[in-house]
Amino acid sequence: DTAVSQTPKYLVTQMGNDKSIKCEQNLGHDTMYWYKQDSKKFLKIMFSYNNKELIINETVPNRFSPKSPDKAHLNLHINSLELGDSAVYFCASSRDGGNEQFFGPGTRLTVL
Amino acid sequence: GQQLNQSPQSMFIQEGEDVSMNCTSSSIFNTWLWYKQDPGEGPVLLIALYKAGELTSNGRLTAQFGITRKDSFLNISASIPSDVGIYFCAGQPNAGNNRKLIWGLGTSLAVNP
Repeated sequence: DTAVSQTPKYLVTQMGNDKSIKCEQNLGHDTMYWYKQDSKKFLKIMFSYNNKELIINETVPNRFSPKSPDKAHLNLHINSLELGDSAVYFCASSRDGGNEQFFGPGTRLTVL
Repeated sequence: GQQLNQSPQSMFIQEGEDVSMNCTSSSIFNTWLWYKQDPGEGPVLLIALYKAGELTSNGRLTAQFGITRKDSFLNISASIPSDVGIYFCAGQPNAGNNRKLIWGLGTSLAVNP
């Protein structure tokens, strides 16, 4: 199926650990995004890549580092996890220059 | 960051009722999008609007791009239980980073069968 996929679906870890979330899209899109959705359901843009180039970098702690090995993949690495990092992280993609973003199923991160 | 004013924040209705929700901004937008998020899932695009005054339907859903370009409306007719979820508006401002969407805080819809 054509879609945006993320792994893992759930991630439970201890404070201070380092973890990664992976995202892949097979829609042929050029632009990919990472969003954080907090407990109040607000969707906050974190990063965006267009053809492997970082184009949006919101005010996010530098413990968060996105990496795009190719335009179909955008991974998110988080160092020294903190309790406040607990949230659902969504990957999304869109055509280059397009506003219609397509979302993955989300990764629920719980930091204990 | 910038947010859209989305209302109502939540709605609890009877099955079969019609639903209206809206989104407003303080600046002009080029694009309005409406998404639905089911529990445990990612947001799914329902309707995209690109022109002031545009009225677009998707089944029982109808959305409009306001004439002032500062608002948008989503209507759901004859609601059914599977309409339950959170509805988000999102928009592309006329100025600024043209790849960054601005999001509303969502309207949580509950439908009583």
